[in-house]
Amino acid sequence: ETGVTQTPRHLVMGMTNKKSLKCEQHLGHNAMYWYKQSAKKPLELMFVYSLEERVENNSVPSRFSPECPNSSHLFLHLHTLQPEDSALYLCASSQDPYGGTDTQYFGPGTRLTVL
Amino acid sequence: KQEVTQIPAALSVPEGENLVLNCSFTDSAIYNLQWFRQDPGKGLTSLLLIQSSQREQTSGRLNASLDKSSGRSTLYIAASQPGDSATYLCAVKELNDYKLSFGAGTTVTVRA
Repeated sequence: ETGVTQTPRHLVMGMTNKKSLKCEQHLGHNAMYWYKQSAKKPLELMFVYSLEERVENNSVPSRFSPECPNSSHLFLHLHTLQPEDSALYLCASSQDPYGGTDTQYFGPGTRLTVL
Repeated sequence: KQEVTQIPAALSVPEGENLVLNCSFTDSAIYNLQWFRQDPGKGLTSLLLIQSSQREQTSGRLNASLDKSSGRSTLYIAASQPGDSATYLCAVKELNDYKLSFGAGTTVTVRA
């Protein structure tokens, strides 16, 4: 595997379910990100981890819970979601998050539908 | 708070025509500006990164310009092809920050 991978690619869940999204980066990067992409809206940054420490929790509801066990893996645990949480969830990684030439590499995303 | 706007939201052109995509941002204190491409239901792929000290960057048929003082960037795609059909997003990175502020994107359709 190369780049940034995400599983599952598609997820349908009820409002009372608990599920987790997984992201893995094979680039040796130091930072990982979760974004939410809703139709016709700009990407919203949800969480950032740099060297496995969370540096951003952008006013995200507590029904979303991130976990970063090491620099290569990032999880997003989901519970009691709402229909408006349906979106494409994108994971990204980068080498030097504060650097002026830093580029984020994105995974293919998980398409989440909440019924 | 940085606001990034992309106009138009959608664009349809015949194959071979040149594409011009616009991006504007409200705070000129930026590190860099990046252009990404996103295919339907997929992640983003970085196309070009322009540092704040640069005026333009080129890669193949793509050329991006940056006018930091006026808060504008333009992505030119020469001799468009059907394979260029995608959504193009611009994003700015502010000084001493890790965040990227994204525009909502311009969806391009190139008709064969």
